[in-house]
Amino acid sequence: SAVISQKPSRDICQRGTSLTIQCQVDSQVTMMFWYRQQPGQSLTLIATANQGSEATYESGFVIDKFPISRPNLTFSTLTVSNMSPEDSSIYLCSVTGYRGDEQYFGPGTRLTVT
Amino acid sequence: QKEVEQDPGPLSVPEGAIVSLNCTYSNSAFQYFMWYRQYSRKGPELLMYTYSSGNKEDGRFTAQVDKSSKYISLFIRDSQPSDSATYLCAMSEGGSYIPTFGRGTSLIVHP
Repeated sequence: SAVISQKPSRDICQRGTSLTIQCQVDSQVTMMFWYRQQPGQSLTLIATANQGSEATYESGFVIDKFPISRPNLTFSTLTVSNMSPEDSSIYLCSVTGYRGDEQYFGPGTRLTVT
Repeated sequence: QKEVEQDPGPLSVPEGAIVSLNCTYSNSAFQYFMWYRQYSRKGPELLMYTYSSGNKEDGRFTAQVDKSSKYISLFIRDSQPSDSATYLCAMSEGGSYIPTFGRGTSLIVHP
């Protein structure tokens, strides 16, 4: 399985500001994913990021709010823009394993918006 | 009705107990079934991966799938305090790369 790191591990931000979360993988991967995990809720997929193309967003998530970059096969960023307290959550990046549908996750970024 | 239902718990058991964690689902097209373990302030870690019905054993962990009942289970034998974590089930139709997750069950194993 890939080793995935995320920065920052946690942050406290003021409403109206933006935060960029970085995800680094130790091997080249085609697809990277961004999830949100709210307390007591299941993992919610935000978007799929492929290198060299626009990210694909799930219903309820838009590029203006969650812009994603994927400059190469080992790195991606997710920006949470114009934050509100409702954006307080854990944000996780992941990659698929060799089977194609199992996911391997980074340690997460714990975001609190005040 | 959600596609995947999982009781959030918490489930509290004494050390050494056999733990049973369960999920039900509604999508009969699911073929691949996974269990993840998530420690506090960590990302989910893949624990078990199974295909179709039947049992799969890995050390103290056994994953069981009953497709006819749309019901999957994870059994933990001789539970340890280090097993205290949230356990998430996940399942996929295959080929889609994106599984559907349950909300997780919080397990507490007390000494």
